[in-house]
Amino acid sequence: NAGVTQTPKFQVLKTGQSMTLQCAQDMNHNSMYWYRQDPGMGLRLIYYSASEGTTDKGEVPNGYNVSRLNKREFSLRLESAAPSQTSVYFCASSEQGVAGQETQYFGPGTRLLVL
Amino acid sequence: EDQVTQSPEALRLQEGESSSLNCSYTVSGLRGLFWYRQDPGKGPEFLFTLYSAGEEKEKERLKATLTKKESFLHITAPKPEDSATYLCAVQAHSGYSTLTFGKGTMLLVSP
Repeated sequence: NAGVTQTPKFQVLKTGQSMTLQCAQDMNHNSMYWYRQDPGMGLRLIYYSASEGTTDKGEVPNGYNVSRLNKREFSLRLESAAPSQTSVYFCASSEQGVAGQETQYFGPGTRLLVL
Repeated sequence: EDQVTQSPEALRLQEGESSSLNCSYTVSGLRGLFWYRQDPGKGPEFLFTLYSAGEEKEKERLKATLTKKESFLHITAPKPEDSATYLCAVQAHSGYSTLTFGKGTMLLVSP
């Protein structure tokens, strides 16, 4: 099992450019998430998808859109990149335990630099 | 609003010097508390889930404990390979809820 995979690993954009970050999981998990991680800020949730066909905003959704393409894939789109979106982006998926807890498993991350 | 505070922000230990990391939380009913390890340039790696006060879990040199207000990650006789950032997260007991993460404790173990 590859677990959670993300592409690309690293990307440089110019302000105003658009791009899509791809995420896929092979663990048959229902829920998937996108986070950003910035120094001193910790992990902040951008969007999540509790199940195939649904998406919801997290803590910092402005400037982003998501698509849950199927059960395996969850993409994050930046329509017009800004320098404030320079960050490391992590995708995660989760399995629900018997008590409803969502144990999340993370991908390796995408490092994005917006100039 | 759920909150997670981790302390200290950074900790430097000598190899073999045991210590504890703290995770204080406020949540409207705890469904689960999670510990992760994150190495530089990599994604967080799941370590433990704790569900109720008094629960303990162990993995090699790590032991996680839980009370009604905080969790501790005890590191016994650490080795340099234990150097990493340790993240704590909580999940509230309300319908479908996401995780709230702390900012982490950066641990450096010197030989």
